[in-house]
Amino acid sequence: DTGVSQDPRHKITKRGQNVTFRCDPISEHNRLYWYRQTLGQGPEFLTYFQNEAQLEKSRLLSDRFSAERPKGSFSTLEIQRTEQGDSAMYLCASSSWVGTSGSGEQYFGPGTRLTVT
Amino acid sequence: AQSVTQLDSQVPVFEEAPVELRCNYSSSVSVYLFWYVQYPNQGLQLLLKYLSGSTLVESINGFEAEFNKSQTSFHLRKPSVHISDTAEYFCAVSESAGGTSYGKLTFGQGTILTVHP
Repeated sequence: DTGVSQDPRHKITKRGQNVTFRCDPISEHNRLYWYRQTLGQGPEFLTYFQNEAQLEKSRLLSDRFSAERPKGSFSTLEIQRTEQGDSAMYLCASSSWVGTSGSGEQYFGPGTRLTVT
Repeated sequence: AQSVTQLDSQVPVFEEAPVELRCNYSSSVSVYLFWYVQYPNQGLQLLLKYLSGSTLVESINGFEAEFNKSQTSFHLRKPSVHISDTAEYFCAVSESAGGTSYGKLTFGQGTILTVHP
């Protein structure tokens, strides 16, 4: 397994356009997380899935943001009507959780850097 | 709600000197604790983790961290640093969300460790 992959690695868009990012987790991992990281800050949690169920969403996630994981494998994060404040690195991570046990350890992808002009 | 404070934004040290990167967290429930490292132009990598058991945990490259529940701290230490340890280090906490399920990570702001020759 090559780890968590994200596509695209870089995206430049104009304000008001919609963008979609894709994340492919480690194949045996059932949990998938999205985070956002701006310069000089640690990653901030956005949302996460266990299989296809979205279990938690941050208050940071406005109604312009939507995430899906339709078959419990890859996930997409869409931002509608982008704003300059959306410029950031969007990180995806995955982990394994079975029943009531798991290490809590999350493996991160390389990220998608979004620039909104 | 969980929160993490990394007390130093930048730590410059000379090669072979000891270093301590400080991390304090706030939580009212059981937690898992992590240190992640981000080398220049690379993604986040797990350095070490505390889940339960021994309060002193070690990484394969000589770092160690000690969980102190009374002081709610998880400081990272290395007795002798190398140039290759230059990176940004993030402390993170995952909180029990009922039962034994640990979900999202909350990160600190990061500490940039710069090792000078």
